[in-house]
Amino acid sequence: AQKITQTQPGMFVQEKEAVTLDCTYDTSDQSYGLFWYKQPSSGEMIFLIYQGSYDEQNATEGRYSLNFQKARKSANLVISASQLGDSAMYFCAMREDIPCGANSKLTFGKGITLSVRP
Amino acid sequence: KAGVTQTPRYLIKTRGQQVTLSCSPISGHRSVSWYQQTPGQGLQFLFEYFSETQRNKGNFPGRFSGRQFSNSRSEMNVSTLELGDSALYLCASSCGDTVYNEQFFGPGTRLTVL
Repeated sequence: AQKITQTQPGMFVQEKEAVTLDCTYDTSDQSYGLFWYKQPSSGEMIFLIYQGSYDEQNATEGRYSLNFQKARKSANLVISASQLGDSAMYFCAMREDIPCGANSKLTFGKGITLSVRP
Repeated sequence: KAGVTQTPRYLIKTRGQQVTLSCSPISGHRSVSWYQQTPGQGLQFLFEYFSETQRNKGNFPGRFSGRQFSNSRSEMNVSTLELGDSALYLCASSCGDTVYNEQFFGPGTRLTVL
């Protein structure tokens, strides 16, 4: 079984500063993928970044980077140069990495609320 | 390409009724997954359909069912609604031409059961 833990209840960051959102996971799968999604108040989940369990480099996508520490089973999201529009819920999720269509199920954490202050 | 669409966006029903929610995936995506989001339980996986076949199912009672059509559009049905079924129901499509095979979510259907 897969489990995602996000314990930070809410985070505040000043505009233009960097912020780290924590995520730890547990799985018995050998090959898996880790995802971060953003959910604004409108409700739609927006894909931000992906890290494969066998990727040696930390993933980066624009202002988003993932601090992946496999031995510690952590996959923290770093947002650089925060913007007011970054205020939202952030979810860490994982999925077993198997062929498309076999099992696309995502296991989500509880989420973290990020508020960006002007 | 157009994104994932879900209809209706909002729905109010009473206990005991049934409801059908619809999801149109991104063109070319073959997999549709459904999730329930509530403040108490968070995001929980309902089921996944691929090529009109249910491939995976979450831990929900049989009142929750779904199907997928040949054009990949999917519907989910909840019968004998209970107050606890009030939630945001999110549909996600995948298995297209993306590098990570990430799931793309629709805006959700917010169901309120009175």
